[in-house]
Amino acid sequence: EAQVTQNPRYLITVTGKKLTVTCSQNMNHEYMSWYRQDPGLGLRQIYYSMNVEVTDKGDVPEGYKVSRKEKRNFPLILESPSPNQTSLYFCASSPTAGTSAYEQFFGPGTRLTVL
Amino acid sequence: GQQLNQSPQSMFIQEGEDVSMNCTSSSIFNTWLWYKQDPGEGPVLLIALYKAGELTSNGRLTAQFGITRKDSFLNISASIPSDVGIYFCAGRTGNQFYFGTGTSLTVIP
Repeated sequence: EAQVTQNPRYLITVTGKKLTVTCSQNMNHEYMSWYRQDPGLGLRQIYYSMNVEVTDKGDVPEGYKVSRKEKRNFPLILESPSPNQTSLYFCASSPTAGTSAYEQFFGPGTRLTVL
Repeated sequence: GQQLNQSPQSMFIQEGEDVSMNCTSSSIFNTWLWYKQDPGEGPVLLIALYKAGELTSNGRLTAQFGITRKDSFLNISASIPSDVGIYFCAGRTGNQFYFGTGTSLTVIP
């Protein structure tokens, strides 16, 4: 089954404690991206990656890091989380060519609370 | 960052009615996409539009890519209870995506 998986689905942590949210896709997609969703603001892009070892900042990258060492995985790293990073996070992937270019397939989301 | 203005914010309609929502921007986009999100789940793609003026249907859904490339609309015909959810527009410029703030749809049986 084609899917994007995220782990964990729920996480409560404290300010300053480094954490990683994993994202994996099994569709051989080149493009992967992370979003945060906050009430009234829609989804905002944090980082994206066009392919292995190629990452770029989205609209709201401050406080986040990513890496793309393998095509299928795109972890989101919060080195020193703060309460304003409490949000619902989504990972997404898509091909970059063909009839489905940029038609992003979303994961189920990770709800993060930073105390 | 760029902003997409999506309207209306919410809609309450009777089952069987048609629905229309739209997104506008001050910037040009290369691709417009429409997603639906159910509670507790990730957005699911409904329709993708790639060319200015393009009109595309997916069952009871129809969407159009505006001629100016700065807007798009989504129509749902003959709404049914399972249409309930939040609908988002998204625009792509280069390799970045920008999302609207969503339209919450409630269908009254």
